[in-house]
Amino acid sequence: QQQVRQSPQSLTVWEGETAILNCSYEDSTFNYFPWYQQFPGEGPALLISIRSVSDKKEDGRFTIFFNKREKKLSLHITDSQPGDSATYFCAAITNSGTYQRFGTGTKLQVVP
Amino acid sequence: GPKVLQIPSHQIIDMGQMVTLNCDPVSNHLYFYWYKQILGQQMEFLVNFYNGKVMEKSKLFKDQFSVERPDGSYFTLKIQPTALEDSAVYFCASSLDNSGNTLYFGEGSRLIVV
Repeated sequence: QQQVRQSPQSLTVWEGETAILNCSYEDSTFNYFPWYQQFPGEGPALLISIRSVSDKKEDGRFTIFFNKREKKLSLHITDSQPGDSATYFCAAITNSGTYQRFGTGTKLQVVP
Repeated sequence: GPKVLQIPSHQIIDMGQMVTLNCDPVSNHLYFYWYKQILGQQMEFLVNFYNGKVMEKSKLFKDQFSVERPDGSYFTLKIQPTALEDSAVYFCASSLDNSGNTLYFGEGSRLIVV
């Protein structure tokens, strides 16, 4: 059972555009949602995260929008750069959880 | 930033052999994890470890798998015997606690079973 889903599976945008990556989940007790960025040949690294008490978290060009009622999140990358080309994972964990559950990932390509 | 080191970076072994993947977690971290990734796709949780014990393991953590961290040395994942479907990249991660703190991942150990 896939508890965290992401769409699209892959996304191509032009440099300067806004990339929108979507994430949805099933377990309403999830309350912490980190997003990880993974470059080829490397491990995932935390990019930005949000807790369920917030509906928006911004860090530079990266913004998470969170809709608790619909159990959905989205990661917006504004002014996309070729260096943003990577795979992005949405993850989730509950307050009493012992490990983060990862989504299926979105592979982003930013074309110059 | 904090680094998690994994050894080896890649290994090719014959089916049925034993393999040990080593992880040197961030020094003051208390929780350790192994995740499995196939073809750059989803990160699948295998097991987590705290205070010398397995806390939770997934269905992917077969009987042939074991983990340990003897005396604060490497956190290891051992597979004995290996099967073809064990071919994947195995990522070690560590965290200060498990209540939502950041996971710090190593660069992975690519295992190819032939």
